[in-house]
Amino acid sequence: EAAVTQSPRSKVAVTGGKVTLSCHQTNNHDYMYWYRQDTGHGLRLIHYSYVADSTEKGDIPDGYKASRPSQENFSLILELASLSQTAVYFCASSDANERLFFGHGTKLSVL
Amino acid sequence: GDQVEQSPSALSLHEGTGSALRCNFTTTMRAVQWFRKNSRGSLINLFYLASGTKENGRLKSAFDSKERYSTLHIRDAQLEDSGTYFCAAEAGNNRIFFGDGTQLVVKP
Repeated sequence: EAAVTQSPRSKVAVTGGKVTLSCHQTNNHDYMYWYRQDTGHGLRLIHYSYVADSTEKGDIPDGYKASRPSQENFSLILELASLSQTAVYFCASSDANERLFFGHGTKLSVL
Repeated sequence: GDQVEQSPSALSLHEGTGSALRCNFTTTMRAVQWFRKNSRGSLINLFYLASGTKENGRLKSAFDSKERYSTLHIRDAQLEDSGTYFCAAEAGNNRIFFGDGTQLVVKP
């Protein structure tokens, strides 16, 4: 069973603070993704990566940075967290068949 | 995932035909969304339903929380409909459970 692990599972951050969400996969997948989910809306792509040491902007990259130091790890960084970034964040990896394997999500509350 | 069983895992259709995808849930879900994954990895949100049915062009979706299932019907399939379709069910406390996806191939 493919495994994608996110940490932390939940976090409360203060406005203007720095937040780092981590994702680790043991699937040997090249592609990794960060999505955000807002209540009542679909998932939206923030950043993705198809190889270590390289990241690409998704549909809503503003206010976020990403880092892919290795094939297994993909981090999402909020340098200056804002209230509007309160959401649930999902990390995913995909295999050659483009099946997505999701982590359990990180609930971020920015106060 | 364990909470959501999506079927079929793969589907091949000829242009102009139709079929249905289905997600069964092991527990009561509050809402469901269907989306298609495009070539960039973006998940295009097709429908978000808390109950009942919604229709958009050649797509129609239904969600029955009590009976614990949701369906996505595609009619008059076109080549550009090819892709991977996912359902995601929303339980309480912002928990979301994803189906494993259906790879749809539409052939001429």
